[in-house]
Amino acid sequence: SQTIHQWPATLVQPVGSPLSLECTVEGTSNPNLYWYRQAAGRGLQLLFYSVGIGQISSEVPQNLSASRPQDRQFILSSKKLLLSDSGFYLCAWSLGLGDTQYFGPGTRLTVL
Amino acid sequence: KQEVTQIPAALSVPEGENLVLNCSFTDSAIYNLQWFRQDPGKGLTSLLLIQSSQREQTSGRLNASLDKSSGRSTLYIAASQPGDSATYLCAVHNQAGTALIFGKGTTLSVSS
Repeated sequence: SQTIHQWPATLVQPVGSPLSLECTVEGTSNPNLYWYRQAAGRGLQLLFYSVGIGQISSEVPQNLSASRPQDRQFILSSKKLLLSDSGFYLCAWSLGLGDTQYFGPGTRLTVL
Repeated sequence: KQEVTQIPAALSVPEGENLVLNCSFTDSAIYNLQWFRQDPGKGLTSLLLIQSSQREQTSGRLNASLDKSSGRSTLYIAASQPGDSATYLCAVHNQAGTALIFGKGTTLSVSS
């Protein structure tokens, strides 16, 4: 069966510091991968999606970037965090575009 | 721009009651619609996915319907239990299948 992992589970970072969140999927090959953010009082918003290694599409302009160095690894990064980057970051995978998306446990990021 | 609305924002019911959660979307050109459950501080659990060509989908005590022309979906929960207490999220796939657009959710509390 497929499993999706995210780490760390929680993170507290100062403004201006760098960020790296990691997501890995087990039990499937060539999944579509997604990064979402859930900010306080707001709905989930898609940040990035990837249909293959090195292929990243950005949905909204922002202070973040994503990379997919391996088939089942998706990384969310920032060079300098802003207060507005605080939120709950969720990684998801699907077999194809439009298929059921399965979510990881999330990373709670607090920027102080 | 697609917008997804869920009403009510919160709902409290006694155990055993049947209930309906509502979801509406502004653009009927969707790929499909997915219902999720989110427990506090946790990731999302996929409940049901309805293809745009389908009218309804059932899983156990859950039944989801889709009326694409009117931009509405409902999630029916039969014989509610305290373990059903969670936030229920509705999301539509855009026509390209690349992005899920989420509502803000309905927080359900089932009392014993």
